Amino acid sequence: DTEVTQTPKHLVMGMTNKKSLKCEQHMGHRAMYWYKQKAKKPPELMFVYSYEKLSINESVPSRFSPECPNSSLLNLHLHALQPEDSALYLCASSQDALGGGPINQPQHFGDGTRLSIL
Amino acid sequence: EDKVVQSPLSLVVHEGDTVTLNCSYEVTNFRSLLWYKQEKKAPTFLFMLTSSGIEKKSGRLSSILDKKELFSILNITATQTGDSAIYLCAPKKGGGSNYKLTFGKGTLLTVNP
Repeated sequence: DTEVTQTPKHLVMGMTNKKSLKCEQHMGHRAMYWYKQKAKKPPELMFVYSYEKLSINESVPSRFSPECPNSSLLNLHLHALQPEDSALYLCASSQDALGGGPINQPQHFGDGTRLSIL
Repeated sequence: EDKVVQSPLSLVVHEGDTVTLNCSYEVTNFRSLLWYKQEKKAPTFLFMLTSSGIEKKSGRLSSILDKKELFSILNITATQTGDSAIYLCAPKKGGGSNYKLTFGKGTLLTVNP
């Protein structure tokens, strides 16, 4: 088990559904990240939040909508996904963040949500 | 464009063998290099290397960075079946890039009993 908690662990949804992935950390980290990982591929960065503000969007389609309600929580809202969006979605956090605080700290990952789109 | 190349892509060894995994990189605004181990779920943090030539060790694992030649190696001695995993190398960009990680494709290590 990691200190970054992701729910649900598995999610199956249809292309017309709306669902949300949740991520929580209580390590006081100020940066949080969403990654997408396809089978046998490395994680690919989607979004970065620093101090609860979106600082990087890696040209992710608008059917993925991130939200950071507070410093401990990160959500990823999903709507009208495509079958090719099926993947493992990983959340990570780190102490270092754009805008202040300690620098050069490792990212710690949650166990991920395995998402399947029917 | 940033580039991270890991080699070999896969490796099969017997328990007790020593392995060396390689990572070469070309990234702008380089700050440090991280190694992760990934089994079925979360990538687990192993090492973060910032300075050249200083070896980091944790049990049977060790790693070193060469910032002049732009590569890093991860050594595992006396391998065990529990070392079977994908090992990911990730250079970290600094400052204005918001400490972004760029992952290599990974090395799949299989340790047979």
